[in-house]
Amino acid sequence: EPEVTQTPSHQVTQMGQEVILRCVPISNHLYFYWYRQILGQKVEFLVSFYNNEISEKSEIFDDQFSVERPDGSNFTLKIRSTKLEDSAMYFCASSRPGLRINEQFFGPGTRLTVL
Amino acid sequence: GENVEQHPSTLSVQEGDSAVIKCTYSDSASNYFPWYKQELGKRPQLIIDIRSNVGEKKDQRIAVTLNKTAKHFSLHITETQPEDSAVYFCAASNYGQNFVFGPGTRLSVLP
Repeated sequence: EPEVTQTPSHQVTQMGQEVILRCVPISNHLYFYWYRQILGQKVEFLVSFYNNEISEKSEIFDDQFSVERPDGSNFTLKIRSTKLEDSAMYFCASSRPGLRINEQFFGPGTRLTVL
Repeated sequence: GENVEQHPSTLSVQEGDSAVIKCTYSDSASNYFPWYKQELGKRPQLIIDIRSNVGEKKDQRIAVTLNKTAKHFSLHITETQPEDSAVYFCAASNYGQNFVFGPGTRLSVLP
């Protein structure tokens, strides 16, 4: 069964550095999402992406965040200048076309640690 | 915006007993309500969902009920097993877009 994949599984970075988190959504999916989960807390929506543009973003998704679909398979989340509070698990998700209501399938996550 | 509350935050049951987790939502426009199970260090996995035109849905030992008038929905797990132990998240969304998750319920099934 196809799955969403994410790389790396764990990223350690210094405060102020840029990081890029990568996701490969399920191949016939057209809607893509990023979520984050701070340790022990709930999953929080960051951004949704469809037809090569952001369709919705939360207040967490400020100017230091950006998303891109650089080719036909990858979907990336960039954090320009990381802060300590960006330490969290970041989940990518994707959903199928053709249904008005789309079930979202989550990747395994990237654990980001900002030192 | 949407706000989802979830209760209880922790739940311990004896193996074989039933478990019920309840969620409330605030936005009457929400029409899709998935439930995710997250085992320690793993990704959230969809276990069941319900759409607003349905009042109840069942899949083997798992069922979900929705009361649109009261804006609450519940997850019911019967005949619990140790492998049901996990954190369960409810969510609400409008047409499956921006999911707003509840804070989670840590379920422990005691042998």
